[in-house]
Amino acid sequence: AQSVTQPDIHITVSEGASLELRCNYSYGATPYLFWYVQSPGQGLQLLLKYFSGDTLVQGIKGFEAEFKRSQSSFNLRKPSVHWSDAAEYFCAVARMYSGGGADGLTFGKGTHLIIQP
Amino acid sequence: GAGVSQSPRYKVAKRGQDVALRCDPISGHVSLFWYQQALGQGPEFLTYFQNEAQLDKSGLPSDRFFAERPEGSVSTLKIQRTQKEDSAVYLCASSSSGRNYGYTFGSGTRLTVV
Repeated sequence: AQSVTQPDIHITVSEGASLELRCNYSYGATPYLFWYVQSPGQGLQLLLKYFSGDTLVQGIKGFEAEFKRSQSSFNLRKPSVHWSDAAEYFCAVARMYSGGGADGLTFGKGTHLIIQP
Repeated sequence: GAGVSQSPRYKVAKRGQDVALRCDPISGHVSLFWYQQALGQGPEFLTYFQNEAQLDKSGLPSDRFFAERPEGSVSTLKIQRTQKEDSAVYLCASSSSGRNYGYTFGSGTRLTVV
């Protein structure tokens, strides 16, 4: 079974500083990988996803992530954070089907991002 | 519709009461998923439908939990004899197929059992 580890429960970053959130996954084949953001009381918003091809994927709100198969990682980055980026961030993996599509997502426990003024 | 719609947005139930949570997926989305998110945790998979067929219910925590999607569109998650540990946000997601595969989540139903 697949699993996702987000090693950092909380991260505090100064506004304007760069950000990297770590994600490691365990899966025997090429996975579908996702990053979601969740603000308090809100649902999950997709930031970006990786299926295949270019290992550096661009997402919304200036986020990007890099798939590194050798390290089983899919870390999320942003060059300069804004106060509005404060939220909970979830990495997730799904098992690909050969005909397209995938089954349910397995989520990490999340990283809580705090922005200092 | 434009997005995944869940109702009610909030539900307070007395312990032992039955509840029904509704999910209206994006029109045309074949796959539908239910997740449970406890406070301070990541979402946990409950069950998965492809059209009206329930292909995976391995995540349902007990036989008090039951989900259905009789016409392959709207889905209902039912919890019988609610317990305090059932308090959580219940998220529904639907997905398309093909090259642009992705999951769209609803805003969730926050269930509080008192």
